[in-house]
Amino acid sequence: EAGVVQSPRYKIIEKKQPVAFWCNPISGHNTLYWYLQNLGQGPELLIRYENEEAVDDSQLPKDRFSAERLKGVDSTLKIQPAELGDSAVYLCASKGWGNTQYFGPGTRLTVL
Amino acid sequence: GNSVTQMEGPVTLSEEAFLTINCTYTATGYPSLFWYVQYPGEGLQLLLKATKADDKGSNKGFEATYRKETTSFHLEKGSVQVSDSAVYFCALTRDYGGSQGNLIFGKGTKLSVKP
Repeated sequence: EAGVVQSPRYKIIEKKQPVAFWCNPISGHNTLYWYLQNLGQGPELLIRYENEEAVDDSQLPKDRFSAERLKGVDSTLKIQPAELGDSAVYLCASKGWGNTQYFGPGTRLTVL
Repeated sequence: GNSVTQMEGPVTLSEEAFLTINCTYTATGYPSLFWYVQYPGEGLQLLLKATKADDKGSNKGFEATYRKETTSFHLEKGSVQVSDSAVYFCALTRDYGGSQGNLIFGKGTKLSVKP
């Protein structure tokens, strides 16, 4: 069974530029999460989807961050414009039945 | 609110040494508890979990017991190997309410095992 796929793995951009991250969850998993992991810290939830609906986006900085999950499968997380403080690893996870989340390898973003 | 506190790292051990990484939590109700491991350059992998008090999760020689009376979920391994070098995260989820299923992580503990 394929795991959670994320791309790109690494991204370097100049500040004020836009950036997008893509996630393909495990087949059949209805719940999808985006987490932010700062260096030396544990992941923190940005947004949770149940199918195509964002059911918890309370931690998503909506002035510059947006996300979508069209058709309830793949998801895209966007930052526009990026700031220096956005440099971090962005993790995607998915969950089927039960309470175990499966994580992708993450996208490491560097904002210069 | 809900939170997880892990022992500060880094932890450096010699091969075959005994490992304990402490984890305590604050949560209402009865959360599920997890240990995730992150190897260098990789995403988080579930190591073990426990869903109710006194449950013991185990995998790859690692164990942790859900202790409600001490709100703890300490990770142990009797004999570590160099390949166990990684960052270990303790986490919890609430299984009810608006944040149902959302993982709350500790800050992580980096383990280095020397040959």
